[in-house]
Amino acid sequence: DSGVTQTPKHLITATGQRVTLRCSPRSGDLSVYWYQQSLDQGLQFLIQYYNGEERAKGNILERFSAQQFPDLHSELNLSSLELGDSALYFCASSVVGSGGREEYEQFFGPGTRLTVL
Amino acid sequence: GQSLEQPSEVTAVEGAIVQINCTYQTSGFYGLSWYQQHDGGAPTFLSYNALDGLEETGRFSSFLSRSDSYGYLLLQELQMKDSASYFCAVSRYSSASKIIFGSGTRLSIRP
Repeated sequence: DSGVTQTPKHLITATGQRVTLRCSPRSGDLSVYWYQQSLDQGLQFLIQYYNGEERAKGNILERFSAQQFPDLHSELNLSSLELGDSALYFCASSVVGSGGREEYEQFFGPGTRLTVL
Repeated sequence: GQSLEQPSEVTAVEGAIVQINCTYQTSGFYGLSWYQQHDGGAPTFLSYNALDGLEETGRFSSFLSRSDSYGYLLLQELQMKDSASYFCAVSRYSSASKIIFGSGTRLSIRP
């Protein structure tokens, strides 16, 4: 158990819909990262938040957005869903967000499996 | 451009040693990480190299050569539970937020 929690575990929805994925980082971790993993693919970095502020953006679509709340939990919003958005979405957290070895040790949550029909 | 290359599949025998290579091409390289992911599970951090050389953690070791843009993960005394996918990941500049993951190497262990 990494200490990172994600809900829901599974989500099935239809094209065109909007969903929200939730992540709670490990206690004390200020950085939250979101990743997308399609079937048998590597991890695609989407976005990072550090202490409530957006720190970096990766290959995140304009239909996707995220935020980190004062209690440090984060939500990833996916809208106008397409079949190709079906994937595992992982949230990870780390202690710091400005560099250093501690940041490279990211702790991943169990993931949310999104299926778009 | 940016790219990471690692073999898609590797098979090894229980008790043996296996090396998973990773070559990268990226600007602003800062460090190389390795993660393990079992089927249906979440990635777990294994190691991180920012400097050239070998880092050893138990049965696992990771090596980096910055001049060759190359690294590897070495697994010794292989156990069946080591069957998993292994991802190398490059950190760019000084922030781990700019992490690029490879496509992963699926390691299968035979008795």
